[in-house]
Amino acid sequence: DQQVKQNSPSLSVQEGRISILNCDYTNSMFDYFLWYKKYPAEGPTFLISISSIKDKNEDGRFTVFLNKSAKHLSLHIVPSQPGDSAVYFCAASGNTGNQFYFGTGTSLTVIP
Amino acid sequence: EPEVTQTPSHQVTQMGQEVILRCVPISNHLYFYWYRQILGQKVEFLVSFYNNEISEKSEIFDDQFSVERPDGSNFTLKIRSTKLEDSAMYFCASSESPRIEGRGFFGQGTRLTVV
Repeated sequence: DQQVKQNSPSLSVQEGRISILNCDYTNSMFDYFLWYKKYPAEGPTFLISISSIKDKNEDGRFTVFLNKSAKHLSLHIVPSQPGDSAVYFCAASGNTGNQFYFGTGTSLTVIP
Repeated sequence: EPEVTQTPSHQVTQMGQEVILRCVPISNHLYFYWYRQILGQKVEFLVSFYNNEISEKSEIFDDQFSVERPDGSNFTLKIRSTKLEDSAMYFCASSESPRIEGRGFFGQGTRLTVV
């Protein structure tokens, strides 16, 4: 049961352009969402979060958009930099507990 | 920046053997988690731990698994009798508040290989 889906396993973007990573979820009880970035041989590192009371959250070059009716969120990186090349995971949780459901990740490559 | 540390970085064990994966969470954090990622698959929640007891666990976390905070600093995951399908990266995480609140700090992971 894949409750959080990242349908694009990979994405390539030119340096300076916008990267858009997408995530869909099925459980309408999810109310808190996060994006993590993961480099090879490292643990996931937190990027940005959004709760369901908002539809947008911005932190520097990173913006997360939430469309609750579509059960869809996206991460925008502007401008993209080569150091952004990593695997990006979206994760979601409901108010029932601490369990987070992760997507399978999207591997972003930013081409210099 | 404070970090979560995990040891060992790589553990190879024979099927049926017991393994203990160790984690040192960030010192003022109260909530602790184990996740795993089988190669090429999604990151899966295993268990959360607070106030010296399990607060939530997934279906993966069966009787073969246990967690412990034996002293004030370590948080361990024990697998009693390893199976081939337990081979994965195991990540420990800790946070100050429930639901990680966006500041869940993950360790670098322990790669467990069961042969």
